[in-house]
Amino acid sequence: GAVVSQHPSWVICKSGTSVKIECRSLDFQATTMFWYRQFPKQSLMLMATSNEGSKATYEQGVEKDKFLINHASLTLSTLTVTSAHPEDSSFYICSARDILGQGVNTEAFFGQGTRLTVV
Amino acid sequence: GESVGLHLPTLSVQEGDNSIINCAYSNSASDYFIWYKQESGKGPQFIIDIRSNMDKRQGQRVTVLLNKTVKHLSLQIAATQPGDSAVYFCAEVHAGGTSYGKLTFGQGTILTVHP
Repeated sequence: GAVVSQHPSWVICKSGTSVKIECRSLDFQATTMFWYRQFPKQSLMLMATSNEGSKATYEQGVEKDKFLINHASLTLSTLTVTSAHPEDSSFYICSARDILGQGVNTEAFFGQGTRLTVV
Repeated sequence: GESVGLHLPTLSVQEGDNSIINCAYSNSASDYFIWYKQESGKGPQFIIDIRSNMDKRQGQRVTVLLNKTVKHLSLQIAATQPGDSAVYFCAEVHAGGTSYGKLTFGQGTILTVHP
């Protein structure tokens, strides 16, 4: 299957600093990527939909000024957690769908996730 | 900080037994569903999918059943192995409007396989 790579796999940062997480589709192009957050022993919650060349669409309750998303190319989306606080500590996961996929009924490929710990 | 929320249901089985994991979905208009396996510290891994015009689909050792009347999905794993131990999520895919292509994940089930 297609490969989606996230970097870094884990990061520890001090409270008040910003952290950038990258999501790359390695062998396909994606006009749309999705960012999820997952707390321990809970399900994945969609944060935002990242659209190449346009602004991201955020889910209700997700602060767009805190979670900055940039989708600069068909293979790269970034999520920046600004002024991180301990409550932002979580597992962040991205996914992408092949631009050549047949509509919505195609598999979305997930990155391996990024464990963010804010101290 | 962790948010307070429901803990995932668990299923414990012996190696070699069959496992059945259930999932309820919410949107009767959803027409595509996916089962994912997530191992600790990793992203979800695709297992099997099913379209709403089907009620059953089989893969290697796995079968997905879809009951649209009660909005229920199940994942059956035959001859469960220790390597199947993971968290299993169902997801429904949004097909229309501003939600196009979004996945809504179910609660998830922790499967533990004992040797």
